Amino acid sequence: RKEVEQDPGPFNVPEGATVAFNCTYSNSASQSFFWYRQDCRKEPKLLMSVYSSGNEDGRFTAQLNRASQYISLLIRDSKLSDSATYLCVVNGGGGSYIPTFGRGTSLIVHP
Amino acid sequence: DGGITQSPKYLFRKEGQNVTLSCEQNLNHDAMYWYRQDPGQGLRLIYYSQIVNDFQKGDIAEGYSVSREKKESFPLTVTSAQKNPTAFYLCASSDRGYNEQFFGPGTRLTVL
Repeated sequence: RKEVEQDPGPFNVPEGATVAFNCTYSNSASQSFFWYRQDCRKEPKLLMSVYSSGNEDGRFTAQLNRASQYISLLIRDSKLSDSATYLCVVNGGGGSYIPTFGRGTSLIVHP
Repeated sequence: DGGITQSPKYLFRKEGQNVTLSCEQNLNHDAMYWYRQDPGQGLRLIYYSQIVNDFQKGDIAEGYSVSREKKESFPLTVTSAQKNPTAFYLCASSDRGYNEQFFGPGTRLTVL
């Protein structure tokens, strides 16, 4: 069964800092990749999809490295409101359409 | 507004009772999923359905049952056979294929 691994953290950073998370996956045939954000006691919400060419959405940049089988999320100029758990999701491979979730990385942004 | 709804938001169950959690979506998605999340833990897949009238067990299906009689609805029953049902239950849906999932707001189940 494919696995997705993340450093659980917590990453404790001051406002304005740049922070990066990595996520590794074991199935080289995986087809799609996502980052979700989950606030405490809430449902996960899609943050962004991840493409080989990389993609950026404001302060957030996601990258996919298929050769090394990892995806990354970079957050620039951290805000207090960025405090949350960030889930890495990998889908596909071996004919399966079932996504696999990492356990999440906790980010705490302090004043 | 398109989205996924779950009800109730909070549910209390006595030991030995079966309870059913509702999940409805109006996104016209083919696939629907049920996950369980325990405090400080990741999501674990209970059941999923990729098409009406068909569903598959996930990693932790024991003690749970589902039905998929309509495309919009995927209710989950937590049976008395589930030994430790207190958890946060999340329903999700997606288009078929390798697309992103969208989640409902969740149901928090507590066994008294």
